[in-house]
Amino acid sequence: QSVLTQPPSVSAAPGQKVTISCSGTSSNIGNNYVSWYQHLPGTAPKLLIYDNNMRPSGIPDRFSGSKSGTSATLGIAGLQTGDEADYYCGTWDNSLSAGVIFGGGTKLTVL
Amino acid sequence: QLQLQQSGPGLVKPSETLSLTCTVSGDSINSNSYYWGWVRQAPGKGLEWIGSIFYSGSTYYNPSLKSRVSISVDTSKNQFSLKLSSVTAADAALYFCATRGYLTGRLAHWGQGTLVTVSS
Repeated sequence: QSVLTQPPSVSAAPGQKVTISCSGTSSNIGNNYVSWYQHLPGTAPKLLIYDNNMRPSGIPDRFSGSKSGTSATLGIAGLQTGDEADYYCGTWDNSLSAGVIFGGGTKLTVL
Repeated sequence: QLQLQQSGPGLVKPSETLSLTCTVSGDSINSNSYYWGWVRQAPGKGLEWIGSIFYSGSTYYNPSLKSRVSISVDTSKNQFSLKLSSVTAADAALYFCATRGYLTGRLAHWGQGTLVTVSS
């Protein structure tokens, strides 16, 4: 069982917007930056969002991130079939500042 | 542009030691901007952080794996390596090396992944 809680799955139609939540505690999300990753089976995960709401170069602005208290949210607007993937939130816990903890992952289906 | 290239066997026998190496290009492993780490994904499971090492040699391991994990750095080859001892079928997974930002925690760069099977 993951320390960070994500819904197992979400779905929406092409062109729609979807949000994925990530819930933690004050010792992890509440006091540290959150990142989001897109993972296609058999490939390396891709960093989508870092520092709660920043996008690396090359990531379209359809992807957005936010954090409030001990929860974070990934938003994906203008859904495309190519967005079908697993999405993970990540941060670290104050008890192990150099570590990484992940959410359990959310499978996005674009209907 | 920092890149990570993994190498190592994809088949390990039960009770033996899994060994993987990650070669860094485009930056020095002596950089103080990153922790150099390993992440795995078992079949049907989510991502699991294994551990990280700083250029100084300081290591940080997932408590659930700490007794069996060792991560080291070879500065002469600009590489870092993972050793996981006494493997079982539960250690079969897709293993990735990755950079973890020193201050922000982001995993910005990833290796291509190595599928490790545990079988005699």
